[in-house]
Order: sequence, then C-alpha cells, then structure tokens
Amino acid sequence: GENVEQHPSTLSVQEGDSAVIKCTYSDSASNYFPWYKQELGKGPQLIIDIRSNVGEKKDQRIAVTLNKTAKHFSLHITETQPEDSAVYFCAAAGSDGSSNTGKLIFGQGTTLQVKP
Amino acid sequence: DAGITQSPRYKITETGRQVTLMCHQTWSHSYMFWYRQDLGHGLRLIYYSAAADITDKGEVPDGYVVSRSKTENFPLTLESATRSQTSVYFCASRGADTQYFGPGTRLTVL
Repeated sequence: GENVEQHPSTLSVQEGDSAVIKCTYSDSASNYFPWYKQELGKGPQLIIDIRSNVGEKKDQRIAVTLNKTAKHFSLHITETQPEDSAVYFCAAAGSDGSSNTGKLIFGQGTTLQVKP
Repeated sequence: DAGITQSPRYKITETGRQVTLMCHQTWSHSYMFWYRQDLGHGLRLIYYSAAADITDKGEVPDGYVVSRSKTENFPLTLESATRSQTSVYFCASRGADTQYFGPGTRLTVL
C-alpha cells in the first residue's frame, strides 16, 4: 500500500525566513496531496492541497510543489511568522481502484518553530 | 453550530474495560474516518465509513469496533482496552476532497 515519508521531523527558522518541508510517496497512482497544520491541542486543519494534474499551487505565503516523476511534494512557507509555529503533516490519497474513498496516508509530521 | 465534535475530550480507563468514543458531524458528509495519533507515527487510519451501515478497516483496526447507524454519528469502541491503545483519537468527515477533523479525544489506558 501507500507509504508517505516526511522530512525533517523538526525545523527551526527565524521569523521572516522561509521554511520547506518535503514528502515522498510510494504509490504512483496517488492523485491528491493535502497539507495539514495542527496547533497544540487541536485537530489538523487543511492549509493547502494539490492534485496530480498540477505542478504547483500558491496561496499567499504558502505554496506546494509536486514532482510526479520523482514522487515527491513539498510545502513552502515564505516570510514565516511566529503564528506559523505548529506541526505540519503531508498526506497522500492512495489508489482505491474504482471507489473514491479519499483515504489519506499521512507523513510522520514536522514540528516547525518560528523564532521571533 | 455546524461542524464536527468529539466526546469525551479526555478519558482515563483501565486495561480490559470497554470504552466508546463519540463523533458527530452536522454537514451530512457521507464519508467519516477514525485516526489515532502517536508520536513518530503521524495519523493512522483505524476505520472509515462510506455511508450509514457501511464501514471498512483502515491500517490499524485490531482491537476496535465501529458502527454507523446514522449518517451524522460514527462511534468508535475499544472492546477491551489495552495500554497500547493509549493515544489521541481524531474523527474526521469528508466534504469533496477535504477531510475536516474534530478536536480529538485523549485516551489513557492504565
């Protein structure tokens, strides 16, 4: 089945710098790649997603890139702010054949710390 | 208010006891999911449901039972709790491609 690897496990940056988190996936049939942000004591919240027919997507300070050939995708956060500090998870929707359950396989998470 | 809620938010139980975690969503989403979150493992899928009375196993279903008699509710039962089931449990429902997560239940099994 699908496997998602996420790196790094922790990331510390200065406020204003950029942060990059990388994920690789194993199932070439995966076609949907969301990123979630989880703040302390809360459930994960979707921040951006990308489908396999798109190479890059931006939303203000965040962007996601997808390389289907290499089977990896990355989250880019520019001009980081202290409120960006959280745990970030990547995920991939595995191949389900004819059914579209949208089951997600998650990476292990990255704890981002933005220092003021 | 519309959304997804979980209860209880915190639960302490003893090995061998049965415990049920509740999940309720107000969007009438067809798909619902249960995950557990443990350090170093991210979120792992326990069970999911495509509609009322339709459920299927995820990655780590052993020791858990689910039911879905109504679209809005998706309870998760640990029939005989073990220490290895100490975790944070998240319920989610799916609208279009997006999964919306509840606030989680922190379960401790002594």
